[in-house]
Amino acid sequence: EAQVTQNPRYLITVTGKKLTVTCSQNMNHEYMSWYRQDPGLGLRQIYYSMNVEVTDKGDVPEGYKVSRKEKRNFPLILESPSPNQTSLYFCASSSHRGRAYEQYFGPGTRLTVT
Amino acid sequence: GENVEQHPSTLSVQEGDSAVIKCTYSDSASNYFPWYKQELGKGPQLIIDIRSNVGEKKDQRIAVTLNKTAKHFSLHITETQPEDSAVYFCAASSANNFGNEKLTFGTGTRLTIIP
Repeated sequence: EAQVTQNPRYLITVTGKKLTVTCSQNMNHEYMSWYRQDPGLGLRQIYYSMNVEVTDKGDVPEGYKVSRKEKRNFPLILESPSPNQTSLYFCASSSHRGRAYEQYFGPGTRLTVT
Repeated sequence: GENVEQHPSTLSVQEGDSAVIKCTYSDSASNYFPWYKQELGKGPQLIIDIRSNVGEKKDQRIAVTLNKTAKHFSLHITETQPEDSAVYFCAASSANNFGNEKLTFGTGTRLTIIP
């Protein structure tokens, strides 16, 4: 089954404790992206990757890092989480590098930073 | 950059009636306008999209219209059913500083179908 998986689905952590949210897709997609969803703000792009070893900032990259060492994986790293990073996070992938075509979203990771 | 506004933020309609959600965008160069449906506890899923060379597109009970002159597009759901209850997001594509297209999303509409 074609899908985007994220882990963990739920995470409660404390300020400053480094964490990683994993994302993996099995569709051989070149384009992958991370979004955060906050009430009243919709989906905002954090980082995206056009292909292996090619990443760039989205609209709200501060406080986040990403890496793309393999085509299927695109982890999101919070080196020193803060309460304002409490949010619902989605990973997405698309088959069209650099083009706005259908994006397939993962199920989401709800992060709480206390 | 692109700015997408979506209205209303919440919408309740009687089962069987129609629902309309409207979006406006700011970048006249945008040329791809998808609509995503997000059910509770799940990620958004594409339900319909339209490109700027088309004014209207239909898929069974769902239709999208686009007015490029006015820079607005709308989602129409007819004969609504309880399973249509969800959050709906519009989006518009635009080119970033590197010439790559990215999607800018609206703020979402929570649609509730009243049985």
